[in-house]
Amino acid sequence: AQTVTQSQPEMSVQEAETVTLSCTYDTSESDYYLFWYKQPPSRQMILVIRQEAYKQQNATENRFSVNFQKAAKSFSLKISDSQLGDAAMYFCAYRSALASGGGADGLTFGKGTHLIIQP
Amino acid sequence: EADIYQTPRYLVIGTGKKITLECSQTMGHDKMYWYQQDPGMELHLIHYSYGVNSTEKGDLSSESTVSRIRTEHFPLTLESARPSHTSQYLCASSDWTMSSYEQYFGPGTRLTVT
Repeated sequence: AQTVTQSQPEMSVQEAETVTLSCTYDTSESDYYLFWYKQPPSRQMILVIRQEAYKQQNATENRFSVNFQKAAKSFSLKISDSQLGDAAMYFCAYRSALASGGGADGLTFGKGTHLIIQP
Repeated sequence: EADIYQTPRYLVIGTGKKITLECSQTMGHDKMYWYQQDPGMELHLIHYSYGVNSTEKGDLSSESTVSRIRTEHFPLTLESARPSHTSQYLCASSDWTMSSYEQYFGPGTRLTVT
């Protein structure tokens, strides 16, 4: 079974600064997807960024980018120019590329990192 | 507007009651999921469905049951609620296209069993 570990329960950053959230995972599979989801205080989970394991290039979405190290099984999220609206719980998630049953199709989440933005 | 809806958003109910949490999506997705989010925020997959008449149990054992009679509707039922069922329940959906493995989440139902 896959596991996802987020070692930072809470992070704090000044507005406009850059912050990096850590995520490591354990899997025996070679093909999979990794995600960062954001859950603001209103509770609706939204996708921040997605990385396909077969792609060497790190994904980027505006101020959000990842550092994907497949051999090290590491998938960190960098938020540049932090804004007050970035304050939320951030979850790292893993999804197997296998589209079969047995729970392989759901997401495996880390425990989350609470990101605080200080004005 | 295509979206995923959950009702109720908040529910406080006494022990022993039967409850149904509703989840509907207007995106035409075949795959739907239920996650349980404990007070420590950790999320666990409890049920999923690949389409109409398909239901499977997830990684976390749950006393709840689900049904999938219509593509857009995936309700979760607890026959007899207990305080241990107090949690946040998140519904999600995704489609089959290889280019999109994103799951779209509803706003959640916060259940408190007294």
